[in-house]
Amino acid sequence: KNQVEQSPQSLIILEGKNCTLQCNYTVSPFSNLRWYKQDTGRGPVSLTIMTFSENTKSNGRYTATLDADTKQSSLHITASQLSDSASYICVVDRGGYNKLIFGAGTRLAVHP
Amino acid sequence: DGGITQSPKYLFRKEGQNVTLSCEQNLNHDAMYWYRQDPGQGLRLIYYSQIVNDFQKGDIAEGYSVSREKKESFPLTVTSAQKNPTAFYLCASSPDRGHTEAFFGQGTRLTVV
Repeated sequence: KNQVEQSPQSLIILEGKNCTLQCNYTVSPFSNLRWYKQDTGRGPVSLTIMTFSENTKSNGRYTATLDADTKQSSLHITASQLSDSASYICVVDRGGYNKLIFGAGTRLAVHP
Repeated sequence: DGGITQSPKYLFRKEGQNVTLSCEQNLNHDAMYWYRQDPGQGLRLIYYSQIVNDFQKGDIAEGYSVSREKKESFPLTVTSAQKNPTAFYLCASSPDRGHTEAFFGQGTRLTVV
């Protein structure tokens, strides 16, 4: 069954600290893996997209890694800010119009 | 200002009513999508459209209908046949075949009263 599992479900960290969010998938075939940030009550915004051959990709303080052999990805946030409080969604693309598999997301709260 | 616009932001529906959610994009994207988001679950695809006057059912199309008369517009109707319509609805568009990059609207929260 094609699934994307994210952990933890929720996370609280202090401002300025780093954190890492995990994504494990059992999706096949694989086209690319994406991380989105979704603020409460808003639409998701793309952070990174990685293809099979990419191991790491950064977007400012966000760094995503991909291990296609173990089917795992992580999103590392450096020097967290209050504005990082949001849900982070891992999405695996099987290729095609109706082939996105969404994880349930990790809800991150950054406290001062 | 290019983007994808959903309206209204909040919508209340009485039992037995049909309601229509609007989605407009000025990004010149061919493909458009409707997703439903429920707490603790990943987004689920309702309908998608690859081109004007064509659309396909997604994973949870029952109780919903769409139209694609214009490239810019992809409205979603939640019919009375949808037994559990309370959810957050997201519209998205992508510029090319294969859903390479999806851009999302700000969402519509539908509540049944």
